[in-house]
Amino acid sequence: RKEVEQDPGPFNVPEGATVAFNCTYSNSASQSFFWYRQDCRKEPKLLMSVYSSGNEDGRFTAQLNRASQYISLLIRDSKLSDSATYLCVVNKVTGGFKTIFGAGTRLFVKA
Amino acid sequence: NAGVTQTPKFQVLKTGQSMTLQCAQDMNHNSMYWYRQDPGMGLRLIYYSASEGTTDKGEVPNGYNVSRLNKREFSLRLESAAPSQTSVYFCASSGHSGGAETQYFGPGTRLLVL
Repeated sequence: RKEVEQDPGPFNVPEGATVAFNCTYSNSASQSFFWYRQDCRKEPKLLMSVYSSGNEDGRFTAQLNRASQYISLLIRDSKLSDSATYLCVVNKVTGGFKTIFGAGTRLFVKA
Repeated sequence: NAGVTQTPKFQVLKTGQSMTLQCAQDMNHNSMYWYRQDPGMGLRLIYYSASEGTTDKGEVPNGYNVSRLNKREFSLRLESAAPSQTSVYFCASSGHSGGAETQYFGPGTRLLVL
């Protein structure tokens, strides 16, 4: 089992739709959590950190459920420019600091 | 403030040739990383350096060597390239942001080994 697993996608949604991505992690010692965005043929870029209380940045909402070891990203009012791959990222410190990237979920937003 | 820079952007090698991928960061970060990204595989850590003068193996170190030249620069060397090393290579550095260690990536090097 992978340490960080994401919905395989791709997600194909119309403009204006709400879309949710899920991510589960296997190591309960994981300490910090992020969503990164990667455009085609570009580098991953930090979208937002994920806090225990949940956090929002404009149309994006991230949530963390430590008990279920589950992270989510909600995108409201999707734009064409949201088309990208979204990577779930987990930092853990047990056995040495380590950052683990999920394989990513591809999103296509259509006009 | 350029962030993380990588050279070259593209490279074609023949099997058995060697090359060095260069990476530099201007964010005064202690930690730097080299990843490879292949279709359907996600990012896999090759080597990392927690601080100047130290390097450690990641998930897929075979066939690669690294040098942490100074705090800014971290290079990746392929001594004898193989077709299995065809990939996109990303360098990253990390620093604390909002209470967590956050990674920042360079633009990548696309390598084709024939």
